[in-house]
Amino acid sequence: DTEVTQTPKHLVMGMTNKKSLKCEQHMGHRAMYWYKQKAKKPPELMFVYSYEKLSINESVPSRFSPECPNSSLLNLHLHALQPEDSALYLCASSRSGTGETEAFFGQGTRLTVV
Amino acid sequence: GQSLEQPSEVTAVEGAIVQINCTYQTSGFYGLSWYQQHDGGAPTFLSYNALDGLEETGRFSSFLSRSDSYGYLLLQELQMKDSASYFCAVRSPSGGYNKLIFGAGTRLAVHP
Repeated sequence: DTEVTQTPKHLVMGMTNKKSLKCEQHMGHRAMYWYKQKAKKPPELMFVYSYEKLSINESVPSRFSPECPNSSLLNLHLHALQPEDSALYLCASSRSGTGETEAFFGQGTRLTVV
Repeated sequence: GQSLEQPSEVTAVEGAIVQINCTYQTSGFYGLSWYQQHDGGAPTFLSYNALDGLEETGRFSSFLSRSDSYGYLLLQELQMKDSASYFCAVRSPSGGYNKLIFGAGTRLAVHP
């Protein structure tokens, strides 16, 4: 199983809503990532979890709150988002986050903030 | 900081060979990766170079010159399904961990 599964695939939310994005992998990877991708742009790193601890936060606004309940799951909690936060949110995983070369990406959640 | 530069668009015909270049500037460097992303899809890993030279994987090859901070992805025998965006990416150290940072991407259009 080399899959990273993200739910939901699409999400429309109002600026006052609270929602969560979910990501799951069963490859035994110990590093998990959240990326944000706007149309025709590269993925931008948001957070890195390594061994279930937040290791990198790329100065992401607090309206995005990551959580790693266990080594297989990664959540991104959303609250009071702005329309400019509309994007494709990608989850990825890799073996350890300290040196391996390949990251596996999920299909993403396409988020629209209205 | 880090910066990666690659051409924004490349056009080629089926059966041809195309080379996508990438130059990088990073505060630390482990290696250069290449990812493919079709419209609406997820980035998928293609190749990785940590050392100078050419790595070949089927129709795709990747090259790295660490002294020149330069690499390229070579796609041979192009097929229509190769139309996609191609990103070079570097792993850059950050506080004991490392970050995978992507270039802006090159959109490859393959025509019949």
